[in-house]
Amino acid sequence: GQQVMQIPQYQHVQEGEDFTTYCNSSTTLSNIQWYKQRPGGHPVFLIQLVKSGEVKKQKRLTFQFGEAKKNSSLHITATQTTDVGTYFCALDAGNMLTFGGGTRLMVKP
Amino acid sequence: DGGITQSPKYLFRKEGQNVTLSCEQNLNHDAMYWYRQDPGQGLRLIYYSQIVNDFQKGDIAEGYSVSREKKESFPLTVTSAQKNPTAFYLCASSKLAGIETQYFGPGTRLLVL
Repeated sequence: GQQVMQIPQYQHVQEGEDFTTYCNSSTTLSNIQWYKQRPGGHPVFLIQLVKSGEVKKQKRLTFQFGEAKKNSSLHITATQTTDVGTYFCALDAGNMLTFGGGTRLMVKP
Repeated sequence: DGGITQSPKYLFRKEGQNVTLSCEQNLNHDAMYWYRQDPGQGLRLIYYSQIVNDFQKGDIAEGYSVSREKKESFPLTVTSAQKNPTAFYLCASSKLAGIETQYFGPGTRLLVL
């Protein structure tokens, strides 16, 4: 079955430092989605990647889909306290979305 | 103002009691989902429904039941068979079933007294 690994599980950074979370799949994906969940909140859709090698940017966030479409990354440049939360990747598994375990980002001011 | 609503925000359950969590959407979405989230953990799928009057078990359906009598509504019942129900329950919907983008409600926190 579909294996989804998201690393790291936790990350503490100093405000202003960069942050990257990785999502790896055991199978080739048709697309991948990223969500953010603020503490105490609910997951909110950020972006979807479809094409091999695709790179998309949202302000300080850069999303990348691997050439083999088996992995993806989310990079945040110069983190701010508003970036705090858990970032989930979600990918197709038997025609259903499966969520990774998430990376919890904590930012020290 | 479209979206997904869940009620109540907090719910307390006594031992041996069934409780029902409400989920309503006015996005005209066909598919709806229920997830369970334990502290510091990811999302685990309980049940999903691709269309009215149809639903399927997810990864952790034991101790839960659902119904989908209306397109807008997908209530979740946590039965007394669920021995460890304390968790954060999230409802989501998508335009179609499958790998479509999901939109989440604000969640219900269930606590056992």
